[in-house]
Amino acid sequence: ETGVTQSPTHLIKTRGQQVTLRCSSQSGHNTVSWYQQALGQGPQFIFQYYREEENGRGNFPPRFSGLQFPNYSSELNVNALELDDSALYLCASSSRQGKIPYEQYFGPGTRLTVT
Amino acid sequence: DQQVKQNSPSLSVQEGRISILNCDYTNSMFDYFLWYKKYPAEGPTFLISISSIKDKNEDGRFTVFLNKSAKHLSLHIVPSQPGDSAVYFCAASSGNAGNMLTFGGGTRLMVKP
Repeated sequence: ETGVTQSPTHLIKTRGQQVTLRCSSQSGHNTVSWYQQALGQGPQFIFQYYREEENGRGNFPPRFSGLQFPNYSSELNVNALELDDSALYLCASSSRQGKIPYEQYFGPGTRLTVT
Repeated sequence: DQQVKQNSPSLSVQEGRISILNCDYTNSMFDYFLWYKKYPAEGPTFLISISSIKDKNEDGRFTVFLNKSAKHLSLHIVPSQPGDSAVYFCAASSGNAGNMLTFGGGTRLMVKP
């Protein structure tokens, strides 16, 4: 069983640029959530995708957007990068079976640095 | 407004002794609580959870206690082992918010041999 994978591992971008982060969910999982973890803080929920539609969003501006594909993989896009966007971006996949909250399996994250 | 707080950024414990990690929350709508463990360069991994209808849940060396009136939960690790050294996150969710988790800031646990 393949776990959650994310690419790239590390990324350096300049303020104002756009970035796309990718996530492959665990086999059999149809729900993907994205979290931002700033240095020294806990992960903060960005949004969740289920059946290719956004299904819940945290307190993040519209320049954070996402996609989920038919194979349940997902992308996180961030436009007009700001210095405060520097963080570890975590993807978590889950299967909508069993009790809520559905157990989430996290990938290793993408470390984004904005200069 | 931080709805889930872990007030101790770090904790150091001797191997074999008990580790107690604490977490406070403010949102009374939270009805499910989880603990995650995170090693460097890895994503958080699920450790143990508790529903708000219970006050204790045990899994091997790990026990989570929930005090709803105080809006406080704690994770006990007995006995602590050097391999337990990691960052521990407390997280909470409410049925209304579906699968969204609200995390605390984490506590770095160091277990000394």
